[in-house]
Amino acid sequence: QVQLVQSGAEVKKPGASVKVSCKASGYTFTGYYMHWVRQAPGQGLEWMGWINPNSGGTNYAQKFQGRVTMTRDTSISTAYMELSRLRSDDTAVYYCARDRRQYSISWLFDYWGQGTLVTVSS
Amino acid sequence: EIVLTQSPGTLSLSPGERATLSCRASQSVSSNYLAWYQQKPGQAPRLLIYGASSRATGIPDRFSGSGSGTDFTLTISRLEPGDFAVYYCQQYGCSPLTFGGGTKVEIK
Repeated sequence: QVQLVQSGAEVKKPGASVKVSCKASGYTFTGYYMHWVRQAPGQGLEWMGWINPNSGGTNYAQKFQGRVTMTRDTSISTAYMELSRLRSDDTAVYYCARDRRQYSISWLFDYWGQGTLVTVSS
Repeated sequence: EIVLTQSPGTLSLSPGERATLSCRASQSVSSNYLAWYQQKPGQAPRLLIYGASSRATGIPDRFSGSGSGTDFTLTISRLEPGDFAVYYCQQYGCSPLTFGGGTKVEIK
């Protein structure tokens, strides 16, 4: 069965960076785009970008351009999202979410990780 | 960027009742690329509806979606206990994809 297992909660100081991992299993990792979506406490959902695990190509939401980096390690079927220059309003649960379509992009998310809480506080 | 406005913010209903949730877009959603997700407390969202009216795999037929252009609706025909949750609409016809602010369906 498809599973996305994310790394544990993080507490960071303003200005620091955080790197969240998302380990995939139960399907061909390189066959599906991986998206990252975040959710601030009590708030709605915000799409951050995607990575094509096959090519390593990425597409970031303009809001996060210059601060976010998405990478992958195909040898261990893991995607990563690194966010730099953290601010207090980056406090959120960060989710990885698999694209629904194989080998191309549908912008729909059929499997999600359990979420990683990142708290930014001095 | 397309802004999605969901209403009402909270819907208080009893099990067995019908729920009607609205999602209005600030501009027309291309090709009706509108999806709905359900999120329960402490869980990740789950895809319910895509293409405005197509049910995702495993979604019961009491969930239905309709609408086009700028006005979309999610209907839950008869609420079951597990349906009380927050529902988000998402447009994916225009970059960046965006989500609505959510409608909470709570037990009356």
